[in-house]
Amino acid sequence: DQQVKQNSPSLSVQEGRISILNCDYTNSMFDYFLWYKKYPAEGPTFLISISSIKDKNEDGRFTVFLNKSAKHLSLHIVPSQPGDSAVYFCAASGGSSNTGKLIFGQGTTLQVKP
Amino acid sequence: DGGITQSPKYLFRKEGQNVTLSCEQNLNHDAMYWYRQDPGQGLRLIYYSQIVNDFQKGDIAEGYSVSREKKESFPLTVTSAQKNPTAFYLCASKENDWDYGYTFGSGTRLTVV
Repeated sequence: DQQVKQNSPSLSVQEGRISILNCDYTNSMFDYFLWYKKYPAEGPTFLISISSIKDKNEDGRFTVFLNKSAKHLSLHIVPSQPGDSAVYFCAASGGSSNTGKLIFGQGTTLQVKP
Repeated sequence: DGGITQSPKYLFRKEGQNVTLSCEQNLNHDAMYWYRQDPGQGLRLIYYSQIVNDFQKGDIAEGYSVSREKKESFPLTVTSAQKNPTAFYLCASKENDWDYGYTFGSGTRLTVV
């Protein structure tokens, strides 16, 4: 049972344009959502997070939007840069057992073309 | 600088052997986690520990074992019972505040030969 889903395995955008990465979840008890960026053979690095009490969080070029009714979140990168090319994972926490576990999606590979 | 150190970066194991992956953190985090990454499957939780001398199974614990004798250290043993051990293994620790999420190590690539 995949509780966090990233249905687009890959995304390609032109440098300077907007990248939109999507994530859906099924567990309405999730109360915190995070996005990570990962380069090959490296550990993921934290990008941005959002609490379920908010619907938007912004940090520089990165904005995360949360739509609780649709159980959907998205990461917007504006403007996209070639260095943004990586795998992006969304993750969720919370639920009935607050153990700090993160449930990850399958990842979306973003390619930003110069 | 504080962080998480995983070693070795690459590890080769013969079938039937146990191997131990090291994970050390100097962030003073209480909680630590082991994830496995396979292509197209994201990160799956193997084991986690919220405090010293205590740990719990994650979603795919079969064939793995851990210990948490010190706050700084959370080694993972991949036993011969793990049917498909070739993967990229990631260790993480967690801040108390979710604003910063997990801190991950750089990973260990395990290959069974």
